[in-house]
Amino acid sequence: GAGVSQSPSNKVTEKGKDVELRCDPISGHTALYWYRQSLGQGLEFLIYFQGNSAPDKSGLPSDRFSAERTGGSVSTLTIQRTQQEDSAVYLCASSLDRNNQYFGPGTRLTVL
Amino acid sequence: GDSVTQMEGPVTLSEEAFLTINCTYTATGYPSLFWYVQYPGEGLQLLLKATKADDKGSNKGFEATYRKETTSFHLEKGSVQVSDSAVYFCALPASGAGSYQLTFGKGTKLSVIP
Repeated sequence: GAGVSQSPSNKVTEKGKDVELRCDPISGHTALYWYRQSLGQGLEFLIYFQGNSAPDKSGLPSDRFSAERTGGSVSTLTIQRTQQEDSAVYLCASSLDRNNQYFGPGTRLTVL
Repeated sequence: GDSVTQMEGPVTLSEEAFLTINCTYTATGYPSLFWYVQYPGEGLQLLLKATKADDKGSNKGFEATYRKETTSFHLEKGSVQVSDSAVYFCALPASGAGSYQLTFGKGTKLSVIP
């Protein structure tokens, strides 16, 4: 079946611009997560959505980062006024329970 | 808070060598433990897991045993192949009944040479 998909696969932007990254989770998965993978920091949790509950935003590094999940399915991660330190691979995952997270291929963001 | 410490790489082995990648954790209670693998140019994939103490997870010739006494979950494979070259991540779920997100180790890059 279809896995988690993310778009775009690569995004190059200029410092100060806003970007939107999209995630399509596996159909029926109630939980959706965003992580960031960077050379210096490894894999960091950003935000977690579970059903209709308020998202856990505890991992967002600054107020320039935000995310929404529409209709309990597709999610968009938005980074405003991008900085060079935002350059990383942004990974989305979805799951039905705590023990089986399925990851997308990621979006590689480069901020010039 | 919960944390994972795994052996730093990179690790370079010859084909058919024995592999061990150490992972220890700090957590409240006895959470599930995971190994994820990231092949070059690809996303993360779940390699194996163990959901309770003394469980052994296994997949593709890899094994890891959940040792509560030593708070460890070391990854082993008896004979590695070139196709095993990848980055391996140990992980556990965040503590708390409503927390599903994973805390990852830094990752260990394995290169297997013919």
